[in-house]
Amino acid sequence: EAQVTQNPRYLITVTGKKLTVTCSQNMNHEYMSWYRQDPGLGLRQIYYSMNVEVTDKGDVPEGYKVSRKEKRNFPLILESPSPNQTSLYFCASSLSGLARGRETQYFGPGTRLLVL
Amino acid sequence: LAKTTQPISMDSYEGQEVNITCSHNNIATNDYITWYQQFPSQGPRFIIQGYKTKVTNEVASLFIPADRKSSTLSLPRVSLSDTAVYYCLVGDWDTGGFKTIFGAGTRLFVKA
Repeated sequence: EAQVTQNPRYLITVTGKKLTVTCSQNMNHEYMSWYRQDPGLGLRQIYYSMNVEVTDKGDVPEGYKVSRKEKRNFPLILESPSPNQTSLYFCASSLSGLARGRETQYFGPGTRLLVL
Repeated sequence: LAKTTQPISMDSYEGQEVNITCSHNNIATNDYITWYQQFPSQGPRFIIQGYKTKVTNEVASLFIPADRKSSTLSLPRVSLSDTAVYYCLVGDWDTGGFKTIFGAGTRLFVKA
């Protein structure tokens, strides 16, 4: 089944404790992206990746890191989480980022993060 | 930088047609307009996409005027299960690649 998976689905942590949220897709997509969703603010892009080893900042990259060493995986890293990073996070992928939004993005189930 | 504006919320009744308009004044010439639907605690899912004029599929229609500065998602005969948040999406070709920009979404509540 074609899908985007994220782990963990729920995470409670404390300020400053490094964490990684994994994202994996099995559709051989080149474009992958991370979003956070907060009440009243909709979905905001954190980072995106056009292909392996190619990543760039979205609208809200502060406090996050990403890496794209393989096509299928795009982990989101919070080196020193803070309470303002408490949010619902979504990973998404699409065939490529070259069609200027023409491709459908497939979203993962989401990771709900609480930073105390 | 392309940005979208949508109404925050809308109410409707079952069986009615619902039209949700999105404003994207700075859309780039080659960018497409896409609409997504999101249910609580789920990831968004694709509804419809267009570049100009009108597009229709089994779920919705999308109307885009000639200047492309706005678009309207039309949901015919909504049902209770159409209660969701609807997002209008455009993009922005940044120096590094294609940045995706969602609006804040429109919360549609369908009543019996």
